[in-house]
Amino acid sequence: DGGITQSPKYLFRKEGQNVTLSCEQNLNHDAMYWYRQDPGQGLRLIYYSQIVNDFQKGDIAEGYSVSREKKESFPLTVTSAQKNPTAFYLCASSIRTEAFFGQGTRLTVV
Amino acid sequence: AQSVTQPDIHITVSEGASLELRCNYSYGATPYLFWYVQSPGQGLQLLLKYFSGDTLVQGIKGFEAEFKRSQSSFNLRKPSVHWSDAAEYFCAVPGEYGNKLVFGAGTILRVKS
Repeated sequence: DGGITQSPKYLFRKEGQNVTLSCEQNLNHDAMYWYRQDPGQGLRLIYYSQIVNDFQKGDIAEGYSVSREKKESFPLTVTSAQKNPTAFYLCASSIRTEAFFGQGTRLTVV
Repeated sequence: AQSVTQPDIHITVSEGASLELRCNYSYGATPYLFWYVQSPGQGLQLLLKYFSGDTLVQGIKGFEAEFKRSQSSFNLRKPSVHWSDAAEYFCAVPGEYGNKLVFGAGTILRVKS
């Protein structure tokens, strides 16, 4: 069954810690994306990757990092430099601009 | 720059009533246009898309949308709303160079019985 898998579904982070959110896809899509969602603000693009070993900053990349070593994987690290990391994070992949989304990871700072 | 405006943050309709969610876009050429739906705590699911051709597009779950170039609009409609349609709805258009999607702020639909 093709799709995008995000893990974990819920993640708790202590202040000052880095955490990594996983995103795996078996749709054979070249492009992958990370969005952040906060109430009333829609989806804001953090990073995107058009091809393996290449990625670009989105609108709110500060405090985040990514890698794209394999076509099917696009992990997102939320670093301690991200001042307000509590949010819902969505990973997507796309073909012809049409995006397919994972089920999201809710990150909470405790 | 490409942008999407969804003027209504919240809409409440009665079950069985008709629905129209508004979407206005800013785009340099004829755009691709998308509507997505999100249930609480879930990812986004594609409802329908417009690439070209017929300006009235049919989607899943009984939704349709009409592309109106003169009004830069792509409004989502449903003739009779069901309680299960309560969710948040997002309109989207490709960003610069068509390499990512730009989303509106979303419209939260509440359905009252």
